Amino acid sequence: DQQVKQNSPSLSVQEGRISILNCDYTNSMFDYFLWYKKYPAEGPTFLISISSIKDKNEDGRFTVFLNKSAKHLSLHIVPSQPGDSAVYFCAATRSGAGSYQLTFGKGTKLSVIP
Amino acid sequence: SQTIHQWPATLVQPVGSPLSLECTVEGTSNPNLYWYRQAAGRGLQLLFYSIGIDQISSEVPQNLSASRPQDRQFILSSKKLLLSDSGFYLCAWSINMNTEAFFGQGTRLTVV
Repeated sequence: DQQVKQNSPSLSVQEGRISILNCDYTNSMFDYFLWYKKYPAEGPTFLISISSIKDKNEDGRFTVFLNKSAKHLSLHIVPSQPGDSAVYFCAATRSGAGSYQLTFGKGTKLSVIP
Repeated sequence: SQTIHQWPATLVQPVGSPLSLECTVEGTSNPNLYWYRQAAGRGLQLLFYSIGIDQISSEVPQNLSASRPQDRQFILSSKKLLLSDSGFYLCAWSINMNTEAFFGQGTRLTVV
């Protein structure tokens, strides 16, 4: 059972426009969510996170929105740049003792077209 | 600052041969350490995590094992590789359980 789902394997966006990457989760125990960016043949790099006590977190061009009732989060990139072209992974975890696992989605490949 | 080193970057091994991938972390003490695998068409799957020396937890049954002989060293091993072991292996560390994890550059393993 996949607890974190990224239903769009790929997304193409024109440079300067908004990129919206979506993520859904099924485990209601998850209360901390992260987005990672990954270039080919490299390890993922952390982008931005959000705790379940918030519904929005912004860092420069990146904003993550969380809708707990819908178990849905999204990453907005505005404006999109060619260097943003990469695979984006959504990840989730739950607070509390004994929780060490980040559960990742399968990723969405973003292509920003110049 | 903290850094994570993982090697080798690429590896081609025949079926049935052993495997040893090494990961070291610098600039921090008692990190949580992780081995992930990214297989074709899949997300990142947690294989092992470690909260301390000689403390290893396995998340999925498989042909692999992990060891942590020192605080900042994490090793992924196999006695006999299978074709299905091919993939991109990533080592990661975190300060505690609920912060972001920092990943190494990864090892592309091809079993032939």
